[in-house]
Amino acid sequence: AQSVTQLGSHVSVSEGALVLLRCNYSSSVPPYLFWYVQYPNQGLQLLLKYTTGATLVKGINGFEAEFKKSETSFHLTKPSAHMSDAAEYFCAVNKGYSTLTFGKGTMLLVSP
Amino acid sequence: KAGVTQTPRYLIKTRGQQVTLSCSPISGHRSVSWYQQTPGQGLQFLFEYFSETQRNKGNFPGRFSGRQFSNSRSEMNVSTLELGDSALYLCASSLGGPQRSDTQYFGPGTRLTVL
Repeated sequence: AQSVTQLGSHVSVSEGALVLLRCNYSSSVPPYLFWYVQYPNQGLQLLLKYTTGATLVKGINGFEAEFKKSETSFHLTKPSAHMSDAAEYFCAVNKGYSTLTFGKGTMLLVSP
Repeated sequence: KAGVTQTPRYLIKTRGQQVTLSCSPISGHRSVSWYQQTPGQGLQFLFEYFSETQRNKGNFPGRFSGRQFSNSRSEMNVSTLELGDSALYLCASSLGGPQRSDTQYFGPGTRLTVL
């Protein structure tokens, strides 16, 4: 079975600080991993995805994630937080045939 | 290209009623998936349709059903509504191939409130 676990339901950072959102996966096959962001009262927007190849994946809005097989992790980072980054972030694994399994989500709070 | 659209955006129903939600996928996408999002359970997969056939189904009761039309538009229906059905229902579309790299694109969701 494939699953993802997000550590920390809430993460608070100051504007300009490093953002680190944690995601660990469990998969018996090579995982295909995604990060989505959800702003209030909106749907999910794709930030980035890992399929195969380069383990450092760059996404939109300055976010990136590194696939580490040895640590079964796919943490999301951004060097400098902006107020507009405040949202809920979801890590997901694609089980195939358009079926995503999501983590519980991490709410990112950015203070001035 | 236009994104995934969902109608209506908001619905208020009472217990026992039924409801139909609609989703129009991105042009060229043949797969439509439905998810339920609640504060307690998070995002849960309901079902997925490809070329008018249900390919996958999550662990939800039979009150939840769906269908897909020849133009790939999809509807989901919930009968005999319960208070616990109050949720944000998200639709996602994708090309629909078997490869797990296939990306799903989400609509804005339909907020259902059951009173």
